[in-house]
Amino acid sequence: GAGVSQTPSNKVTEKGKYVELRCDPISGHTALYWYRQSLGQGPEFLIYFQGTGAADDSGLPNDRFFAVRPEGSVSTLKIQRTERGDSAVYLCASSLRPTGELFFGEGSRLTVL
Amino acid sequence: AQSVTQLGSHVSVSEGALVLLRCNYSSSVPPYLFWYVQYPNQGLQLLLKYTTGATLVKGINGFEAEFKKSETSFHLTKPSAHMSDAAEYFCAVSGVGNEKLTFGTGTRLTIIP
Repeated sequence: GAGVSQTPSNKVTEKGKYVELRCDPISGHTALYWYRQSLGQGPEFLIYFQGTGAADDSGLPNDRFFAVRPEGSVSTLKIQRTERGDSAVYLCASSLRPTGELFFGEGSRLTVL
Repeated sequence: AQSVTQLGSHVSVSEGALVLLRCNYSSSVPPYLFWYVQYPNQGLQLLLKYTTGATLVKGINGFEAEFKKSETSFHLTKPSAHMSDAAEYFCAVSGVGNEKLTFGTGTRLTIIP
């Protein structure tokens, strides 16, 4: 595809459930980022991948959050035992190289009831 | 550590009037500074960025920003507002060699016909 693709665009789940959010970056982009945007706030950094490895996961709020990028392309953000405070828009971005221009997807809106 | 403060969560200007969106940053290292725009139902899009060199940076859609180290500011301006400029604007900062962006809380720009 031409841009960063995120699925699902909307996810409603119940407290305590497990959720996976998928990001398909622009082809050839080696760097991939996850951000979280809560209502009325700017995006907040979660994790950054360079290739297959997580180069910086300092933004993950706790051990319920985990992300993988096994083949250096598609990434999945995994949230265990969801809590109402996890409700937010989860943004994925990719870039051709580190510190290059970030191209953002439209986000996955997660609502935890 | 880096942070940005955007003054004014909502700004309204008349069509044809000057647009001024304010951003002040805090950084312990030389900063990279960015402005992103988010149109309704779209992903974040880079407007412009400052890394090194010329302090006046020109971006897309007629926007520009000036890096003022003495004032720790990076305000976004456009001489004449257009209806299509209505969107949410985010200022962001990263340190040199630091791939993760720290975003401000955003400014929603409304254009009055």
